[in-house]
Amino acid sequence: KAGVTQTPRYLIKTRGQQVTLSCSPISGHRSVSWYQQTPGQGLQFLFEYFSETQRNKGNFPGRFSGRQFSNSRSEMNVSTLELGDSALYLCASTLTGGLSEQYFGPGTRLTVT
Amino acid sequence: GNSVTQMEGPVTLSEEAFLTINCTYTATGYPSLFWYVQYPGEGLQLLLKATKADDKGSNKGFEATYRKETTSFHLEKGSVQVSDSAVYFCALSTGANSKLTFGKGITLSVRP
Repeated sequence: KAGVTQTPRYLIKTRGQQVTLSCSPISGHRSVSWYQQTPGQGLQFLFEYFSETQRNKGNFPGRFSGRQFSNSRSEMNVSTLELGDSALYLCASTLTGGLSEQYFGPGTRLTVT
Repeated sequence: GNSVTQMEGPVTLSEEAFLTINCTYTATGYPSLFWYVQYPGEGLQLLLKATKADDKGSNKGFEATYRKETTSFHLEKGSVQVSDSAVYFCALSTGANSKLTFGKGITLSVRP
């Protein structure tokens, strides 16, 4: 069974631009969560989607948004990029969410210059 | 709110040494507790978990016991290997949602 895939793996953007990251969960998994990992703040929860609906949201500004499609694939979008948005963005999928085991993708490394 | 505190790192050990990584938590309700490991250039992998007090999670020689009285979930391994070199994260989840609250992580380096 294929694992969680994230594209692209690396991305370089300029301040003020926007970016879209993609996550394909494990086949059959319906819940996708997104996390931001930085050296200063560590791993922080962004949001969770289940059956195309945002079910939970972390404390990030409105520039961070996401969506989920009917095939459970998810995208997250960051608008008006700031230098502080440089991070590793990880997505995780679970069968139904809740306390089911979360499987993480390799992440997308975003660098904002 | 929920929080997880891990001991400061990094930690450097010789092969076959005993490992303890401390983790304490603050949570509302009754959390489930996890240890995740991140190898260089990869995402996180679940190492072990415990869902209720006094449960012991174990995997690949690693163990951690859910101690409600001390709100702790310390990770131990009796004999580390070079291949255990990675970053280790303690995490918790409460309620019915998937949100994980992570500690800062600690880098373990094991030298031959």
